[in-house]
Amino acid sequence: GEDVEQSLFLSVREGDSSVINCTYTDSSSTYLYWYKQEPGAGLQLLTYIFSNMDMKQDQRLTVLLNKKDKHLSLRIADTQTGDSAIYFCAVVTGTASKLTFGTGTRLQVTL
Amino acid sequence: GAVVSQHPSWVICKSGTSVKIECRSLDFQATTMFWYRQFPKQSLMLMATSNEGSKATYEQGVEKDKFLINHASLTLSTLTVTSAHPEDSSFYICSARQGAINQPQHFGDGTRLSIL
Repeated sequence: GEDVEQSLFLSVREGDSSVINCTYTDSSSTYLYWYKQEPGAGLQLLTYIFSNMDMKQDQRLTVLLNKKDKHLSLRIADTQTGDSAIYFCAVVTGTASKLTFGTGTRLQVTL
Repeated sequence: GAVVSQHPSWVICKSGTSVKIECRSLDFQATTMFWYRQFPKQSLMLMATSNEGSKATYEQGVEKDKFLINHASLTLSTLTVTSAHPEDSSFYICSARQGAINQPQHFGDGTRLSIL
């Protein structure tokens, strides 16, 4: 089945850009999502990209998709302390109706 | 838009009791709802998928008699943890999707269940 991996931790300074990376194994993945989870809360949908796209930009967020390498990234420009959270990538593969989640990356923003 | 409400947000109960958690889509019709379990510092584990008016599809290893799922309407799904024990203590999160698989899932705020 699909395997989705992320690095566990990223620390950046306020005002810098953050880049969170995600790799997946199934080349038939069709829809790829980024979610944010704050402590004790559910998941907030940040953005998503379809497999026929290479890039999507939404205000401070930029998603890049490299289908050849099966690599997805989320760039947050001008990172703020309020961006501190756990970020999950999630992938829909083939005709499956369910999401496969990555392991989550904890983003720490320091002053 | 796309708001999912989950209730209660936190529940503590004695071992052996049953606990019901509700998941509602407030501003859209959810043809499919999902129930996840999340252990501390871990990712989400899908427990089951439910379509309105149909029996839920459980993931391997999830006991259907233990975790009863009902999806009686397009805006409400419930998860009942029957005869709960301390090992059932966890963070349970629901999500809802309107339409086909090209639509995103929207998540509730989760329910923290503690069994004493």
